[in-house]
Amino acid sequence: GAVVSQHPSWVICKSGTSVKIECRSLDFQATTMFWYRQFPKQSLMLMATSNEGSKATYEQGVEKDKFLINHASLTLSTLTVTSAHPEDSSFYICSTGTGTYEQYFGPGTRLTVT
Amino acid sequence: GQNIDQPTEMTATEGAIVQINCTYQTSGFNGLFWYQQHAGEAPTFLSYNVLDGLEEKGRFSSFLSRSKGYSYLLLKELQMKDSASYLCAVRMNNAGNMLTFGGGTRLMVKP
Repeated sequence: GAVVSQHPSWVICKSGTSVKIECRSLDFQATTMFWYRQFPKQSLMLMATSNEGSKATYEQGVEKDKFLINHASLTLSTLTVTSAHPEDSSFYICSTGTGTYEQYFGPGTRLTVT
Repeated sequence: GQNIDQPTEMTATEGAIVQINCTYQTSGFNGLFWYQQHAGEAPTFLSYNVLDGLEEKGRFSSFLSRSKGYSYLLLKELQMKDSASYLCAVRMNNAGNMLTFGGGTRLMVKP
């Protein structure tokens, strides 16, 4: 199956700072990537769909100016959490598909905002 | 819109069989997925159903009834390592590979 990596795997930052999370597809070209957020004991909630070379599509209730998504190449999408607050602490997961039915997930990034 | 429901928690005994149900109400159904997720890890793919019927894969089987908007994941010969969350996800037409997830079912396997 396809391999998707995320970096960092975990990060602790201070309130008010920004954090960038990278999602890479290692063995195929990903025109579309998805960003999810998962709070403890909850399921994955889609935040946005990242499209290579164009603007991301955000789900209702997700602030596009707070969660900046850049998909500048076919192998890299980044999510930047700007002016982070403790309530942004969560597990962030990216995923992509190869055009077949299966979707491949990255290992996730645990963000803790103090 | 879409609505995907699963039980929040289930408990079962090692060696037993457990069935995790998922009901959905979506417009333009184009496939249902089951994922397993251990705490702090990414989901891993278990099964995919797009036609009615049962798909069997080792100890895990998944069933789909499109007319009823219903699926279940059947786990046989439960092992302690099967303790995890099980996520039901639906893909809609014209949504590419985007998935919408249910709330997940936390399964605890006891000795």
